Amino acid sequence: EADIYQTPRYLVIGTGKKITLECSQTMGHDKMYWYQQDPGMELHLIHYSYGVNSTEKGDLSSESTVSRIRTEHFPLTLESARPSHTSQYLCASRRSAGRGGELFFGEGSRLTVL
Amino acid sequence: GENVEQHPSTLSVQEGDSAVIKCTYSDSASNYFPWYKQELGKRPQLIIDIRSNVGEKKDQRIAVTLNKTAKHFSLHITETQPEDSAVYFCAATKGSNTGNQFYFGTGTSLTVIP
Repeated sequence: EADIYQTPRYLVIGTGKKITLECSQTMGHDKMYWYQQDPGMELHLIHYSYGVNSTEKGDLSSESTVSRIRTEHFPLTLESARPSHTSQYLCASRRSAGRGGELFFGEGSRLTVL
Repeated sequence: GENVEQHPSTLSVQEGDSAVIKCTYSDSASNYFPWYKQELGKRPQLIIDIRSNVGEKKDQRIAVTLNKTAKHFSLHITETQPEDSAVYFCAATKGSNTGNQFYFGTGTSLTVIP
């Protein structure tokens, strides 16, 4: 089934650890996004990509990196996790052609940094 | 860049009553305005959207209106039901091929009281 998948769904790690949150979509979408969201709160754009080898920074990007080597895969890496990184991370994608177009979200990765 | 403001932040209505959520945007070039519903612990999902060449769109109990001159758009839910309880996010975006980052409002937590 065409969808957008995130792993891990839940993760508890210690301060200073390096982590990578995985995101894969099987919908053939060119555009992919990472958002940070505290439960029920505002969505903050971290990074986005318009296609392979294209990445752009959003509002909260300074402490993380992304890569887009394959169309379907858009991993997010925190080099050194801190308690302030405790949050939910949502990956999203949409088609490239035409104006607008629905943004599809993954189920999220809930990160706790101790 | 675009700035999207959303009001109210919380809204409680009696079952069967109507609910209205309003958003304003700043960039007159924005031309696509989706609304997302996020139930507790779930991913945001598109419920309705409107493009700038349309003033109103309706889908059963939900409708969206757009006033391009005033740069505001609203979500209307009629005959509310307990399952409408969720956080609702508005968004605005420009539908160009590269510059179509989504700008989200801060969310409205809707509670429908049985």
